[in-house]
Amino acid sequence: EPEVTQTPSHQVTQMGQEVILRCVPISNHLYFYWYRQILGQKVEFLVSFYNNEISEKSEIFDDQFSVERPDGSNFTLKIRSTKLEDSAMYFCASSEDMVAAKTGELFFGEGSRLTVL
Amino acid sequence: GESVGLHLPTLSVQEGDNSIINCAYSNSASDYFIWYKQESGKGPQFIIDIRSNMDKRQGQRVTVLLNKTVKHLSLQIAATQPGDSAVYFCAESAGGSYIPTFGRGTSLIVHP
Repeated sequence: EPEVTQTPSHQVTQMGQEVILRCVPISNHLYFYWYRQILGQKVEFLVSFYNNEISEKSEIFDDQFSVERPDGSNFTLKIRSTKLEDSAMYFCASSEDMVAAKTGELFFGEGSRLTVL
Repeated sequence: GESVGLHLPTLSVQEGDNSIINCAYSNSASDYFIWYKQESGKGPQFIIDIRSNMDKRQGQRVTVLLNKTVKHLSLQIAATQPGDSAVYFCAESAGGSYIPTFGRGTSLIVHP
């Protein structure tokens, strides 16, 4: 069964360092997302991406964050200068199309845990 | 502000019992409601959705009920099994957006 894969599974970094989280969405999916989950809290939307552009973003997704699809398979989230409060589980997701996303049919990866010290 | 939230943070049931997980929402513009299951160490997994013009939808062992009058959503799991132990999130898609917004989550613990 196709799945979304994410690397690394866990990254520990010092405050102020740059971090890149990587995702390989399901191959025939066209829409890509990043969500984050602070420990024990709800899953929060960060950004969606389609056709090599950001299509929606939340207020969390400020200038410290950026996304990129550097090649035909990877989708990355970069945090330019990490803060303590960026510590969270970051989930990548993909969907076939907008309608699938609307009805909740997002396929999530297993997440990348980021710990900022 | 408008939000999606859950009444109970933890629900403990015996194997074989039926489980009911509740969710309150406040955004009357939401047109789809979704339930996700998140097992330990994994990402959320889609379970079932319901459109706002429906009040009930059934899947395999799960039923979602929507009461728009009181802005309440529930997920019923029949004959709960240990493999159902997870955190369950309700989510909504508001009109004009295709991004599901998650609520806080309820932990379901199934005792054998």
